[in-house]
Amino acid sequence: ETGVTQTPRHLVMGMTNKKSLKCEQHLGHNAMYWYKQSAKKPLELMFVYNFKEQTENNSVPSRFSPECPNSSHLFLHLHTLQPEDSALYLCASSLMTDSYEQYFGPGTRLTVT
Amino acid sequence: GENVEQHPSTLSVQEGDSAVIKCTYSDSASNYFPWYKQELGKRPQLIIDIRSNVGEKKDQRIAVTLNKTAKHFSLHITETQPEDSAVYFCAASTYGGSQGNLIFGKGTKLSVKP
Repeated sequence: ETGVTQTPRHLVMGMTNKKSLKCEQHLGHNAMYWYKQSAKKPLELMFVYNFKEQTENNSVPSRFSPECPNSSHLFLHLHTLQPEDSALYLCASSLMTDSYEQYFGPGTRLTVT
Repeated sequence: GENVEQHPSTLSVQEGDSAVIKCTYSDSASNYFPWYKQELGKRPQLIIDIRSNVGEKKDQRIAVTLNKTAKHFSLHITETQPEDSAVYFCAASTYGGSQGNLIFGKGTKLSVKP
C-alpha cells in the first residue's frame, strides 16, 4: 500500500525537541488531513487542508504546526510537546473534503519523554 | 456540530455468528456514513459506506442500514471469520456542505473466536 506514505514511522522525542512529521500522497487527491489516535480518543481530527488551504483547525494546541506546501505533501511540525501528546499520528487524503473516501497512511508512532 | 456515538465498545462473537455495531448521529444534515476497519497495527480502511438516499447497502457478508428518522445506522457482518477481528469505526459527514469532514465514533473492537 503506497498511496499515502508517512515518515518517520516511529519517533521518540524529548519535551524540548523540535521535529517534523511528513506525509505524502500519490493519489492525485486535493484534500489532506492529520488525525491523532490514542486510547482516549481513537480518531481525533486535527487539521484539514483543501487545495493547500487550511479549512479546519480542531482547537489544536499551537505546539502542533501544520504545513501544506502543495496538494501532495503535508507536514506536522512539533515543538515543546507534552507526554500526553504521545500517540499515533495518522495522515489521510481524499479527492475532495466533500465526503469522499479517505485513504490513511500507516501513521507515525510518537513517544514524548 | 456533529456528534457520533458508537456501541458497543467491545464485541466478542463465535466464528460463524453475526455481529452488529450501532451508531447514532446528531446532525440531521449528515448524509454520508462510511465504516472503516482497522486491523491491529494497520491503518484504517474503508469497508462500506452509505448515503442518505438509500436505506440499506450490502457487499458480500457486510451490510449497512440507515434510519434517517431515528438518526442511526448499523453495520452487520454475517458468518463472521477470525480475519474480521479488528476495530471498526463509523463516521458521519455532510455531502455537499462546506465542511464535509468526517466525524468518527469511538470504535468497536470486534473479536471473532474460532
